[in-house]
Amino acid sequence: RKEVEQDPGPFNVPEGATVAFNCTYSNSASQSFFWYRQDCRKEPKLLMSVYSSGNEDGRFTAQLNRASQYISLLIRDSKLSDSATYLCVVNVGGSARQLTFGSGTQLTVLP
Amino acid sequence: GAVVSQHPSRVICKSGTSVKIECRSLDFQATTMFWYRQFPKQSLMLMATSNEGSKATYEQGVEKDKFLINHASLTLSTLTVTSAHPEDSSFYICSAREFSGGPDTQYFGPGTRLTVL
Repeated sequence: RKEVEQDPGPFNVPEGATVAFNCTYSNSASQSFFWYRQDCRKEPKLLMSVYSSGNEDGRFTAQLNRASQYISLLIRDSKLSDSATYLCVVNVGGSARQLTFGSGTQLTVLP
Repeated sequence: GAVVSQHPSRVICKSGTSVKIECRSLDFQATTMFWYRQFPKQSLMLMATSNEGSKATYEQGVEKDKFLINHASLTLSTLTVTSAHPEDSSFYICSAREFSGGPDTQYFGPGTRLTVL
């Protein structure tokens, strides 16, 4: 089983739509959680951290369910510029604090 | 935010040659840097964790004699792909961790696209 699993998509949605991505992680000791965005042939960039209470940043809402080991990202009123691959990322903590990446969910927002 | 640079951004080389990739943290000190590899349509896979002044820690399946890592200073880590072969063609990305006492964050370099002919 992969440490971090995501639906690879692709998700093709019209502009203005709401889209949700899900992610599950296998290590119950995981300590911190993130969503990264990666554009084609570019490096990943941090979109937002994910907190247990849920958090929102503009059109983006992230949720964490530790009991189910499940993370979600909701994008409202999607824009063409939201087209990218969204990576679910988990940090299991420890001295190295390594990040483990999911394989990503590809989103294309259509005009 | 913090900036991490990588050089070169793209390299094409012949099979059997060695390629050196530099990763620099430009405005902060990074005691730990990470090297990742990403094949097309796949996720980033951690290759090794590079600690300043000590040996790198390699992930399972990554040959330490093939992928030489040197973290000589708090702002520079280098990855050398020795005797590169076509199967080493990939997108190599480094990240540097900034730890300022609060939540630590990793900042990614722009990546190096290696093509081995």
